[in-house]
Amino acid sequence: EPEVTQTPSHQVTQMGQEVILRCVPISNHLYFYWYRQILGQKVEFLVSFYNNEISEKSEIFDDQFSVERPDGSNFTLKIRSTKLEDSAMYFCASSEQGLQADTQYFGPGTRLTVL
Amino acid sequence: QKEVEQDPGPLSVPEGAIVSLNCTYSNSAFQYFMWYRQYSRKGPELLMYTYSSGNKEDGRFTAQVDKSSKYISLFIRDSQPSDSATYLCAITQGGSEKLVFGKGTKLTVNP
Repeated sequence: EPEVTQTPSHQVTQMGQEVILRCVPISNHLYFYWYRQILGQKVEFLVSFYNNEISEKSEIFDDQFSVERPDGSNFTLKIRSTKLEDSAMYFCASSEQGLQADTQYFGPGTRLTVL
Repeated sequence: QKEVEQDPGPLSVPEGAIVSLNCTYSNSAFQYFMWYRQYSRKGPELLMYTYSSGNKEDGRFTAQVDKSSKYISLFIRDSQPSDSATYLCAITQGGSEKLVFGKGTKLTVNP
């Protein structure tokens, strides 16, 4: 069964450093998403991406964050200057037709630790 | 008022019990309702997806939506130790790609 994959599974970085989290969505899916989950808290929406542009973003997704689909298979989340409070699990998700007709399938997550 | 409220539990039941998990929501514009299961330090795994009031059944799982009360439920029949996980409700409204999650209910099924 096709699945969303994410690398790395765990990333440790120093505060102020840039990190790139990588995702390979399910191959025929057109909608891509990033969510995060701070330990013990809710899963929170960050951004949705369709047709090579951001379609929706939350107030969390400020100028420190960016997303990109650099080729036909990868989808990345970049955090330019990490803060301690960016420590969380980051989940990528994808959807074939978007939430109006389909649902979202999640990857296993990347655990980001900012020291 | 929070958009989606879910009792975090924890909930502990014996094997074979019927489990009822619930969420309430505040925004009547919400139209699509999902239940995810999440094992420790893993990604959410889709269990059920519905967009209408009423019941939807899939094996031992039944999802129930009451839009008039803004209340959704997930029932698990004949619960198994492998059902032990955190169960997340997730809701979205028409025209949005944003899923709003409940905090999750941690369930333990004891053999």
